[in-house]
Amino acid sequence: AQSVAQPEDQVNVAEGNPLTVKCTYSVSGNPYLFWYVQYPNRGLQFLLKYITGDNLVKGSYGFEAEFNKSQTSFHLKKPSALVSDSALYFCAVKTPGGYQKVTFGTGTKLQVIP
Amino acid sequence: DSGVTQTPKHLITATGQRVTLRCSPRSGDLSVYWYQQSLDQGLQFLIQYYNGEERAKGNILERFSAQQFPDLHSELNLSSLELGDSALYFCASSATGGANEKLFFGSGTQLSVL
Repeated sequence: AQSVAQPEDQVNVAEGNPLTVKCTYSVSGNPYLFWYVQYPNRGLQFLLKYITGDNLVKGSYGFEAEFNKSQTSFHLKKPSALVSDSALYFCAVKTPGGYQKVTFGTGTKLQVIP
Repeated sequence: DSGVTQTPKHLITATGQRVTLRCSPRSGDLSVYWYQQSLDQGLQFLIQYYNGEERAKGNILERFSAQQFPDLHSELNLSSLELGDSALYFCASSATGGANEKLFFGSGTQLSVL
């Protein structure tokens, strides 16, 4: 069975400071990992994904994520937070092969303080 | 705009009733997913279709059913509704349902069961 954990319900960061939203996963085999963002009253939007290759993945809106196999983590990062980054962030995992569902974490609310 | 269309945006109904939620996937996408989002359960995968056939099943209640039609639109039917079914229901689509594909989400249908 696959699972993903987002240990923080909320992360507060001052505008201009670096931000990190944490995600750890559990799968059998190599994972496909994703980050999505949800703004109020909107559907989820894709930010970035890790499939294979370079452990540092760059995505939309200046976000990046680092895949760490030994720590089974895929933390989302941004060097300088914007107030407009305030939203709900979801980490997701899927195992390749077969008809596996995408499993989402519980979400982390990011609040960027002006 | 993700290209995924969900109707209606809001639905208010009473316990015991039956409703149908509709989803039109992004042009060219063959795979459709349904998710339920609630405050206490997070984002729960319900079911996935690929080109008209059921591909994966998640935490979908027996009172719920879905199908994907030849024109690739999908409907989620919820019957014998209970108060606990109140949630935001999302449809998502992807090109072929492959494990490494990102999902495109609609804006959701907010269901309120009174």
